[in-house]
Amino acid sequence: AQTVTQSQPEMSVQEAETVTLSCTYDTSESDYYLFWYKQPPSRQMILVIRQEAYKQQNATENRFSVNFQKAAKSFSLKISDSQLGDAAMYFCAYRSPLAGTASKLTFGTGTRLQVTL
Amino acid sequence: NAGVTQTPKFQVLKTGQSMTLQCAQDMNHEYMSWYRQDPGMGLRLIHYSVGAGITDQGEVPNGYNVSRSTTEDFPLRLLSAAPSQTSVYFCASREGGSKNIQYFGAGTRLSVL
Repeated sequence: AQTVTQSQPEMSVQEAETVTLSCTYDTSESDYYLFWYKQPPSRQMILVIRQEAYKQQNATENRFSVNFQKAAKSFSLKISDSQLGDAAMYFCAYRSPLAGTASKLTFGTGTRLQVTL
Repeated sequence: NAGVTQTPKFQVLKTGQSMTLQCAQDMNHEYMSWYRQDPGMGLRLIHYSVGAGITDQGEVPNGYNVSRSTTEDFPLRLLSAAPSQTSVYFCASREGGSKNIQYFGAGTRLSVL
């Protein structure tokens, strides 16, 4: 079974600075998908960024980028030019491409990000 | 565009009561699933469906039933609520194909006393 580990329960960053959230995972599969979700106080789960394991290029979405290290099974999220609206819980998630687990996302325990002035 | 709609947003039950959490999506997605979110544990899969008439168990299915009679709806039933089912419940849907993006509802906060 796959597992996802987020070793930073809480992180803090000053506005306009850069912060990196860590995520490692364990799998025996060679092809899979990785995601970062943001959960603000409203509870809504919002997709931030996704990465297909077969792609070597790191995904980027505006101020959000990932550092995907497949051999190390590491998938960190970098937030540049942090804004107050970035304050939220961030979850790393893994999805297997196997048909039998078509919908299952395996989540880490989350990292709470605080953004200070 | 409503996306994934969950009702109710909040619910308080007494031990032993039954109830149904509703989930509907208007995106014609094949895949739907239910997760529960507990403090310090991330989200865990309860049940999922890969299409109308097809459901299967996730990691933590005990105490919950699901059915999928239409593409749009995927209700989650608690047969006899227990305090251990106090949690926040999320419904999600995903289209088939390569995009693999799950869309989540706003969640239902359930307390069982």
